[in-house]
Amino acid sequence: EIVLTQSPATLSLSPGERATLSCRASQSVSSHLAWYQQKPGQAPRLLMYEASNRATGTPARFSGSGSGTDFTLTISSLEPEDFAVYFCYQRSKWPETYGPGTKVDIK
Amino acid sequence: QLQLQESGPGLVKPSETLSLTCTVSGGSMSNYWWDWIRQAPGKEMESLAYIHSSGDSNYNPSLKSRVAISVDTSKNQFFLRLTSVTAADTAIYFCARYGVVVGNYYYTDVWGKGTTVTVSS
Repeated sequence: EIVLTQSPATLSLSPGERATLSCRASQSVSSHLAWYQQKPGQAPRLLMYEASNRATGTPARFSGSGSGTDFTLTISSLEPEDFAVYFCYQRSKWPETYGPGTKVDIK
Repeated sequence: QLQLQESGPGLVKPSETLSLTCTVSGGSMSNYWWDWIRQAPGKEMESLAYIHSSGDSNYNPSLKSRVAISVDTSKNQFFLRLTSVTAADTAIYFCARYGVVVGNYYYTDVWGKGTTVTVSS
């Protein structure tokens, strides 16, 4: 199965700063990668799909890029509600797999 | 607004069968694929199985011999059965809808909040 690794594990930033999160796949997933946001006790929320498409309701400060094995989620200017865990997910090959997540917390 | 709610026993004894229900409200199950995912403590999310409203299904090979998924669209519910559970099956179990479709690629866009299952005697 395809293994996804994410870095860093934790990102400590202040509101207004730029966040750059990385996801790497053990083999090419083409562009079939998504990003989710999860807050404690809440359902995961789809942010991006097909690497660079914003899901309905995703603010424009979120952007995704990459293809093949290397992907990036960028939050251009962190808002207080953006402090959460972000995980990537590949849909290229069954079983679909998830990354371990990057926690973005307040510095 | 579509909502999903998982329900289950909370605590299951080793070697027993875990049965979970996902209840869909605020929308129809028809013509969608539906997913079960779990997250064990300290581990990544793991896809378990998915099913179409028509009944077509697929299973994670790592669990294929122990897992069964089914759907009852008349009740707006789908189900997961996991047999011969062990402590390794302790996890938060989520259900989700594959609501974003790009060609042949589907992404889950609505999730439940999850239900915690502990396997212990």
